[in-house]
Amino acid sequence: LAKTTQPISMDSYEGQEVNITCSHNNIATNDYITWYQQFPSQGPRFIIQGYKTKVTNEVASLFIPADRKSSTLSLPRVSLSDTAVYYCLVSIMNTGFQKLVFGTGTRLLVSP
Amino acid sequence: EPEVTQTPSHQVTQMGQEVILRCVPISNHLYFYWYRQILGQKVEFLVSFYNNEISEKSEIFDDQFSVERPDGSNFTLKIRSTKLEDSAMYFCASLPAGASTDTQYFGPGTRLTVL
Repeated sequence: LAKTTQPISMDSYEGQEVNITCSHNNIATNDYITWYQQFPSQGPRFIIQGYKTKVTNEVASLFIPADRKSSTLSLPRVSLSDTAVYYCLVSIMNTGFQKLVFGTGTRLLVSP
Repeated sequence: EPEVTQTPSHQVTQMGQEVILRCVPISNHLYFYWYRQILGQKVEFLVSFYNNEISEKSEIFDDQFSVERPDGSNFTLKIRSTKLEDSAMYFCASLPAGASTDTQYFGPGTRLTVL
């Protein structure tokens, strides 16, 4: 199992770019990296997924270096509503589909 | 946009009682999951379900737990004899066939309080 390590918490202000880095030194060749967002008392919500290099969608960008031992979730111009817990997950293959294994996540607090 | 729904949103029960948590996955999804999150802790996998049978279960999912898809729409989690430590948020998730298996769609959760 590829364990992930990410900061426990981060603080930011509205309008700033936030970068959350996750370490996954033991990532396997076929593993993907996925980020989820969770608001209080809600279920996790998929944000972005990647294998290598850079992936961008309407919500965020994901940067993955060539060695894939880490990844960085980038949230451009955060707002108060981006205050949430962000989880970095590495895929775990099992019988053709995967359970999700969550770590403790990074608690992002965006202030005015 | 279709979404996973769960009922009830909050369930309070006495220790030793049976509870059934209900989920309606997104209609064309084929893979179903239950997770739980004890207050302030990580989201933990409980069980996955495909083709009317359990695909995988964690060590948390002991004989007190069972899952069922009684009809074409509902997916239920039953706890036969609740314990205090079963108090948690329970999330249902679903996934369509052919999708990336990381993009599971989660419901809003049921908060279970065992007294």
